Amino acid sequence: AQTVTQSQPEMSVQEAETVTLSCTYDTSESDYYLFWYKQPPSRQMILVIRQEAYKQQNATENRFSVNFQKAAKSFSLKISDSQLGDAAMYFCADLKSGTYKYIFGTGTRLKVLA
Amino acid sequence: DTGVSQNPRHKITKRGQNVTFRCDPISEHNRLYWYRQTLGQGPEFLTYFQNEAQLEKSRLLSDRFSAERPKGSFSTLEIQRTEQGDSAMYLCASSLVGLTEAFFGQGTRLTVV
Repeated sequence: AQTVTQSQPEMSVQEAETVTLSCTYDTSESDYYLFWYKQPPSRQMILVIRQEAYKQQNATENRFSVNFQKAAKSFSLKISDSQLGDAAMYFCADLKSGTYKYIFGTGTRLKVLA
Repeated sequence: DTGVSQNPRHKITKRGQNVTFRCDPISEHNRLYWYRQTLGQGPEFLTYFQNEAQLEKSRLLSDRFSAERPKGSFSTLEIQRTEQGDSAMYLCASSLVGLTEAFFGQGTRLTVV
């Protein structure tokens, strides 16, 4: 069965600093997608960044980038120049290609300190 | 289009009562999902629709739960004879076939007292 593990329940970062959130996954599939979703307090979950497993290049979206280590089944999120608005729960998720069932981790609560 | 809309946002009900939640997906999205999120956990898959067809139900969805998506538009999730263990955030999401990004609603928080 697919599982996604986020071992950091909570992280803190100083404003303007960089933080890395960890995620490991366990899938036997060769074709899949990985995601980081952000869930601000009392607001809907939104997609931060997506990685196709067949791509070796790490995805980047402005201040957000991932370190995708396929052999190690690791998918960490780096947030650079952290802003107060980055404070939220962050969920790592995977999706088997051609399917529709997202498997989420338990989340990491990110606090940004002014 | 304002995104995925869920109503109500909050629901408090007494144990044993029935409740119904509504989800309006992004128009033209043919995939619709229901997830449940309990405190300290990530969203867990409940069920999935492609257009009006319910294609998969998780074993988490007991026979007290029923979901519909008439005409492939909005969806409802009904819980009959609610139990305290049903207290959770119920999330709805939608997407287009062939695209991987799911768009989530703000959820309905259910509290069973």
